[in-house]
Amino acid sequence: AQSVTQLDSQVPVFEEAPVELRCNYSSSVSVYLFWYVQYPNQGLQLLLKYLSGSTLVESINGFEAEFNKSQTSFHLRKPSVHISDTAEYFCAVSETANNNDMRFGAGTRLTVKP
Amino acid sequence: EAGVTQFPSHSVIEKGQTVTLRCDPISGHDNLYWYRRVMGKEIKFLLHFVKESKQDESGMPNNRFLAERTGGTYSTLKVQPAELEDSGVYFCASSQDLTSGANTGELFFGEGSRLTVL
Repeated sequence: AQSVTQLDSQVPVFEEAPVELRCNYSSSVSVYLFWYVQYPNQGLQLLLKYLSGSTLVESINGFEAEFNKSQTSFHLRKPSVHISDTAEYFCAVSETANNNDMRFGAGTRLTVKP
Repeated sequence: EAGVTQFPSHSVIEKGQTVTLRCDPISGHDNLYWYRRVMGKEIKFLLHFVKESKQDESGMPNNRFLAERTGGTYSTLKVQPAELEDSGVYFCASSQDLTSGANTGELFFGEGSRLTVL
C-alpha cells in the first residue's frame, strides 16, 4: 500500500524568504500526488495536484511542486512566502484515478514570520 | 454552493460515553470519506461510502466505531463507548463519482470535528 512521509513537522521562515516543504512517497505502481493546505479554523483545501503530463505543477498563489519519480518525491516550493501562507500543508498520494485510496502525510506546519 | 459541513465542531466527553459525529457532503457527491487525525500525526483513512454503500472500511479501528449513510446523503460516525485514544480530529470529505466525468481528483473537506475523550 502507498504511504507518504513529510520530513519536516514544522518550518519557520521569514516573510519573502523561499521555502521548500518536503514530501516523499512509497508505492509499487504509478501514483497521483496532491498537496492540501489547512488554514487556521478551516478545512483542508486542494493546493495543487499531479495526475499526469508535466512533472512541474503550479498553484494560483505561487506554490509549485515537482514530481520526481526516481527520487519518489513531490516537494512543495515557493520562492517568496507571505504571512498569509501560514498554514499546515499535507502531502497526499493515490494509486487510483478516482482517488478512493488517498493517503496523507503527517503534515508540515509552515509559520511565516514578519 | 455549500461545502462539506461537519457537526459538532468540538465535542468533549468522558471515557465510556457515546458520541455521534455528522457530515453533510456537497450535494450530488456520491463519494463520502471519513478520516481521523490523532495528536498531530498523519491523517488516516477510516472508511469510504459510495452513496449508501460502504466501499471500503478497512481503516475503521475497531467495532466501537459505526458509520452510516442512510439514503446516501449525510453520514454519521458513532463512537460507542469512547476511549481515550479516540481523541483527535475527524475529517469528512466528499467527491463526485468518477463515471460522471466531473471527478477532478479533488476531495472536498469539512472543517473537522474535534473529539476530546477525558
